[in-house]
Amino acid sequence: NAGVTQTPKFRVLKTGQSMTLLCAQDMNHEYMYWYRQDPGMGLRLIHYSVGEGTTAKGEVPDGYNVSRLKKQNFLLGLESAAPSQTSVYFCASSYKLNTEAFFGQGTRLTVV
Amino acid sequence: AQKVTQAQTEISVVEKEDVTLDCVYETRDTTYYLFWYKQPPSGELVFLIRRNSFDEQNEISGRYSWNFQKSTSSFNFTITASQVVDSAVYFCALSEPFSGGYNKLIFGAGTRLAVHP
Repeated sequence: NAGVTQTPKFRVLKTGQSMTLLCAQDMNHEYMYWYRQDPGMGLRLIHYSVGEGTTAKGEVPDGYNVSRLKKQNFLLGLESAAPSQTSVYFCASSYKLNTEAFFGQGTRLTVV
Repeated sequence: AQKVTQAQTEISVVEKEDVTLDCVYETRDTTYYLFWYKQPPSGELVFLIRRNSFDEQNEISGRYSWNFQKSTSSFNFTITASQVVDSAVYFCALSEPFSGGYNKLIFGAGTRLAVHP
């Protein structure tokens, strides 16, 4: 049972480049989330999804887009990367509201 | 205003010492949930506990225990007889209503615990 898998684990981008982070979960969870983790700030919610075909903005959505075409996958896109998007990105999923979230191993993204 | 405060940025202890990680939260909701997560050096976040606002019983799981006190809005985490493997960053989180009927997790800034042999 893989749980939540993120791809890739590391990436270096040049300013202005685009990329997509993939998150896959095999637990049949309805809810999926993308967070970013920055030093001293804990985790902040970027976007979330409460089911296949639905997405919504979190606390810090600017510069990111997401899609949930399949229940098990949640994609995070950066259309034009900026150095401020250098961070560790975590995907998570949960069965329903207020249950524990299961996290992926994170993607360390550096934008130069 | 910060909703979840973990005032201790870093704690350093020697193995076998007991250590308490503090968490103070702020919410106007009567129904809410609190969580603790562990982030070891490998980077993933590991769920430790969930507590709802109606259950103030303390919980013990092996060397771990949690003290939930609504009167002081605190949800503290104690590790008894710490071990080197406990070295990690620990996050406290509060689940609160966001939008569209969704509750989001608000994380504290984390406490880095270093346990030395």
